[in-house]
This record gives sequence, structure tokens and C-alpha cells, in this order.
Amino acid sequence: QVQLVESGGGVVQPGRSLRLSCAASGFIFSRHGMMWVRQAPGKGLEWVALIWFDGSKENYADSVRGRFTISRDNSKNTLYLQMNSLRAEDTAVYFCARDVSYGSLESWGQGTLITVSS
Amino acid sequence: QSALTQPPSASGSPGQSVTISCTGTSSDVGGYNYVSWYRQYPGKAPKLMIYEVTKRPSGVPGRFSASKSGNTASLTVSGLQAEDEADYYCSSYSGSNNHVVFGGGTKLTVL
Repeated sequence: QVQLVESGGGVVQPGRSLRLSCAASGFIFSRHGMMWVRQAPGKGLEWVALIWFDGSKENYADSVRGRFTISRDNSKNTLYLQMNSLRAEDTAVYFCARDVSYGSLESWGQGTLITVSS
Repeated sequence: QSALTQPPSASGSPGQSVTISCTGTSSDVGGYNYVSWYRQYPGKAPKLMIYEVTKRPSGVPGRFSASKSGNTASLTVSGLQAEDEADYYCSSYSGSNNHVVFGGGTKLTVL
């Protein structure tokens, strides 16, 4: 069955960097676009970034553009999110998700919590 | 990137039907047939309930249906059950800048 497992979360100071990983299994990873979605404590879902199936295109929410970078290694079935210049407002649970149709996210990971605090 | 507009809450009694709206613009909901709906229980990951406006993924009960008119999409849950109590989010592809936008979420309470 499809499985997405995020890792790399934790507590980080403002201004520092962190890299999240999302290990995929149970499907042909290289055939699907992937996304990161986050959810601040007690808040709604916020789309963060997307990357095409082959890594050729990516896009970002305005709130993270220029600070976050989405990437993938199809040989390792792994999605990444490099987060730089972290801010308190980046505190959230970060989910990776498999896109099956222009933003239809059929499979989700369990999420990893990032807390940005001094 | 403005969020889609959903009512913060909705409710209904067991067996009844409830409809949740999701309003966007012609750049997202109104412009593309790529509206999705998700159910989320507290502390859990979201689950896709509807995609491409009206389609149900395998395993989603037929009690869940959806539609779209202009810039507003709607999710209807018929025959409400206790297990339907959750947060529901809509989302849409936005082709103007190739991104995805979510609604603020609706907390559905089964009375």
C-alpha cells in the first residue's frame, strides 16, 4: 500500500535551517507530482510547495518563496523540503502528499512537527 | 494567494444531510475542474474524499457528493453518521500561477 513517512522535524531557532525528508513506497514515485502542506497549531491547511514528477518544475506559496526549496530524488523515492531562514510563523506540522490530479492529494504522510523558537 | 472561503462550522443530526460551501474566484474554483475535499480528524492526516469536483476515490462512501457552480463548490454529506464529525477542507488548483489553495476549513458537528 502507499506509504509516505516524513522525518527531520524538531525544534529550531529562528533564522536557522532544517531539511525535511519524505520516504515514499507502495507506488511508482517517479510518476507522481508531490507536495508539501503544513498546518500551524489549531489552524487550517496551507499549501507550501509542489514539484513535478520529474523534478523539472516547482512552485511555492508566497509565504515561503525564496526561503524554502522542494526537491526530489527519484532514485531514492524521497521528497525533500529545505527550509532556510526559519521564522516563528513557520511553526507547523508539515505533511508530504502525493498528487494524482492537479492538487488532488490522494496519499498523505503522518506529518512532522517543526517548532521555530528561541 | 487568498484562501478559499468556507463557513467555520456546520452541523446536522444523524441521518440528515448537510452541505458545506467553498467559494473562490474565476482563477481557481471557477476556472478549473480541480476542486478537492478532505476530511481531517484531530491529530490525523487529511483524507481525500472528493477530487476533480465530483469524483470519489475508491472506498469513500456514496453518502459524500459534491458539485460546483461558478466560483462556488459544495460538499454534501447525506445520512449523517457520528463518524462524519470532523474538519472538512476544500482545495483548488489555481492555474494563474500554478499553485494550490485551501479553504479555511469547516468543523462539522453531528448533533
